Amino acid sequence: GAGVSQSPSNKVTEKGKDVELRCDPISGHTALYWYRQSLGQGLEFLIYFQGNSAPDKSGLPSDRFSAERTGGSVSTLTIQRTQQEDSAVYLCASSLGAGRGGTDTQYFGPGTRLTVL
Amino acid sequence: TQLLEQSPQFLSIQEGENLTVYCNSSSVFSSLQWYRQEPGEGPVLLVTVVTGGEVKKLKRLTFQFGDARKDSSLHITAAQPGDTGLYLCAARRNTNAGKSTFGDGTTLTVKP
Repeated sequence: GAGVSQSPSNKVTEKGKDVELRCDPISGHTALYWYRQSLGQGLEFLIYFQGNSAPDKSGLPSDRFSAERTGGSVSTLTIQRTQQEDSAVYLCASSLGAGRGGTDTQYFGPGTRLTVL
Repeated sequence: TQLLEQSPQFLSIQEGENLTVYCNSSSVFSSLQWYRQEPGEGPVLLVTVVTGGEVKKLKRLTFQFGDARKDSSLHITAAQPGDTGLYLCAARRNTNAGKSTFGDGTTLTVKP
């Protein structure tokens, strides 16, 4: 089936506005991850979902960041009152998930490039 | 705290040369992955290593996991312009699930 998809691909917003980023994981993948990446840098972990619950949200940088996942599928990352330092590429990944045996491989989407003016 | 240190950060070489990229940590991980990322795309997995001392080969790419499972290297033989990209190492404490910790990446440019 199709890979991980993310929308929008690009988002430009003004400081102080709220934004929502969407991730559609690979069908059948129970685990979903959000990371963010600054230009030419490595990925910074934000949050991990197993099913609809988030056992690890340790990477969320502030309470302006939240994420939810419904139906064990689509996830939305919401950033409230955006700041210029939130500008980055936000990447979503999915994997088969815990308890499925073997080494769990993460498959990444193309990302959403967020620019906060 | 940066748990994975990658070096070099930038590498520019001529086509046909060999190169090695290093990924080091003071922590022990269950598995380590190498990814390649092109502009505008997400990282694509190249290999996963899980056993200390393990060596895996993928065409011109050779991956090694240190005996103590704290470090890894990626060696490319006879680099080609198509190898150009950002190479990322990532490690996980749990092979079955959970977050990956990424290094800051090595930007490789191979000139024809």
